[in-house]
Order: sequence, then C-alpha cells, then structure tokens
Amino acid sequence: EAQVTQNPRYLITVTGKKLTVTCSQNMNHEYMSWYRQDPGLGLRQIYYSMNVEVTDKGDVPEGYKVSRKEKRNFPLILESPSPNQTSLYFCASSFGGAGSNQPQHFGDGTRLSIL
Amino acid sequence: AQSVAQPEDQVNVAEGNPLTVKCTYSVSGNPYLFWYVQYPNRGLQFLLKYITGDNLVKGSYGFEAEFNKSQTSFHLKKPSALVSDSALYFCAVRGRRGKLIFGQGTTLQVKP
Repeated sequence: EAQVTQNPRYLITVTGKKLTVTCSQNMNHEYMSWYRQDPGLGLRQIYYSMNVEVTDKGDVPEGYKVSRKEKRNFPLILESPSPNQTSLYFCASSFGGAGSNQPQHFGDGTRLSIL
Repeated sequence: AQSVAQPEDQVNVAEGNPLTVKCTYSVSGNPYLFWYVQYPNRGLQFLLKYITGDNLVKGSYGFEAEFNKSQTSFHLKKPSALVSDSALYFCAVRGRRGKLIFGQGTTLQVKP
C-alpha cells in the first residue's frame, strides 16, 4: 500500500531534550516536505527536499533541522525543543520537483507536546 | 504575496442538501489548486485538483470544484451531502519551491 509513515504519532517531552520525528514514503517520490498545523493558521511549511541531499527552508524553519540521506526518508530533528514547537506535524511527499502539479500525499501526523 | 482564504470557519448543512465550501486565492500566473479533507486523528487526504482546462473538476467521494479565474475562486461542491462528509476541509495552492499554501480550513458539519 502506498503510504507516508510518521513516527511517533504522539510525543510528550520536555524543553531542551533533543527529538527526531521520522518520515518514510514507499512511492519513490522525489519531493518531500514537513508542515506544522496550528489552529487558525492552517498548515505551514517547515522544510522541504527536492531529492537526496537537497534540502531547503520553508516558511517556519527556526528550531528545526532535516536531512535527506536516502530517497525514502526525511526525518525532522528538534535539537532543543521549546514550548512554542508544540504542534501537529505532517510529512508529505509527491512526484516531481517544485513545479510539479502532482498532489502531495500526507502522513497521519505527529502530535508533539513540549512542556 | 501568494495566499489562500477560506472565509467560513464552519459550514452547516442538512444531509441530502447540496454543500459548498468556499475558497479564494491570490497567486501570480496559472495556479495549481487542490482540495484536501482531514478526518480526526488522520492526515490530509487529497480530494481533487485543478491544473488547466475544464473549470469544473471532479474528484473523490462525489466532490467537485469550480474554478473561476475572474473571481479567483475554487469552491468545493457536492450535490448531496452525507453525514460521513463531516470533516475539516483545506484549500491549497502550489506555491514557489513546491510548497502548498493552505487556507485556514473549514469545518463541514452535516446533520442527519
């Protein structure tokens, strides 16, 4: 089954404790992206990747890191999480590059609470 | 600046009645427009897209959307609503660097 898989689905942690949210897709998609969803703000892009070893900042990258060492994986790293990073996070992937008209496929989300 | 607006936080409709969820956009050039639906504790599911051509686009689960270039709108419609259509709906436009620019979302409530 074609899917985007995120782990963990839920995480409660404390300020400053490094964490990683994993994302994996099995559709051989070139483009991958991380979004955060906050009430009243819709979804905003954090980072994106056009392909292996090609990553760039989205609209809200502060406090986050990513890597793309393999085509299928795109982990999101919070080196020193803070309470304002409490949010619902989604990983997405699609065929093609930035100009593609293909829809993005989304994971089921990771709800992070930073105390 | 590129943006998407969904002017209604919530739309209420009775089962069997037609529904419309509104979306307007602001983007230079020809837009790639999408509608997604989000059920509780799930990710966003793709419903339909407009790329070019016919202004009426048909998608999943009986949904369709009407693209209107002069009004810069892309409203989501369904002729007969189901209770199971109740969910959060997002309109989005593909922006620079491939990102999706989302509206704030509209909660659709379909009452039996």
